[in-house]
Amino acid sequence: EVQLVESGGGLVQPGGSLRLSCAASGFTFSSYWMHWVRQAPGKGLVWVSRTNSDGSRTNYADSAKGRFTISRDNAKNTLYLQMNSLRAEDTAVYYCARVGAADGPIDYWGQGTLVTVSS
Amino acid sequence: SYELTQPLSVSVALGQPARITCGGNNIGSKNVHWYQQKPGQAPVLVIYRDFNRPSGIPERFSGSNSGNTATLTISRAQAGDEADYYCQVWDSSYVFGTGTKVTVL
Repeated sequence: EVQLVESGGGLVQPGGSLRLSCAASGFTFSSYWMHWVRQAPGKGLVWVSRTNSDGSRTNYADSAKGRFTISRDNAKNTLYLQMNSLRAEDTAVYYCARVGAADGPIDYWGQGTLVTVSS
Repeated sequence: SYELTQPLSVSVALGQPARITCGGNNIGSKNVHWYQQKPGQAPVLVIYRDFNRPSGIPERFSGSNSGNTATLTISRAQAGDEADYYCQVWDSSYVFGTGTKVTVL
């Protein structure tokens, strides 16, 4: 069974940093593109970032460029999102997600981890 | 940047068809995917590449895509289909629609 379990969310002050993790199991992690998608409270889904199977390629939404870094450790079956210079508007549930093929649909989602940016 | 527009809400009587539209410039030339999200839960893929159903998704869910509009249809809406629905395409990045809340009366 495919499982994606996020952790690392919490309350952080504006300008602060946080690193999210996503532990993957039930599939060959090193074979898949992985993404982060976020959802502000009561709002819609917004794509944040993606990385290819070996981590050599990454893409970011404009809102994340220069502040967020996606990475992965295939030996640990874990995806990361390092978030720096956090703003109030980054407050959201962050979902880890798997894509079966580059540019394809998201076929599995984690349950999400809540990040709250507030003083 | 590419934009996808969905109606804010759709109401449907129990057992009747519900149609959720997703508008975008020449969206018919793109692959459209649809996700269902129930309150407090992660999204679930219900239609991929315009009209394909993942395993485990009921046959009452179907999709079409042409011109400037893609459509998700629930042929006989059930109470358990109440949820938010999002369309999504790839256009140099992953783009999600604005989301539609489906209410089954």
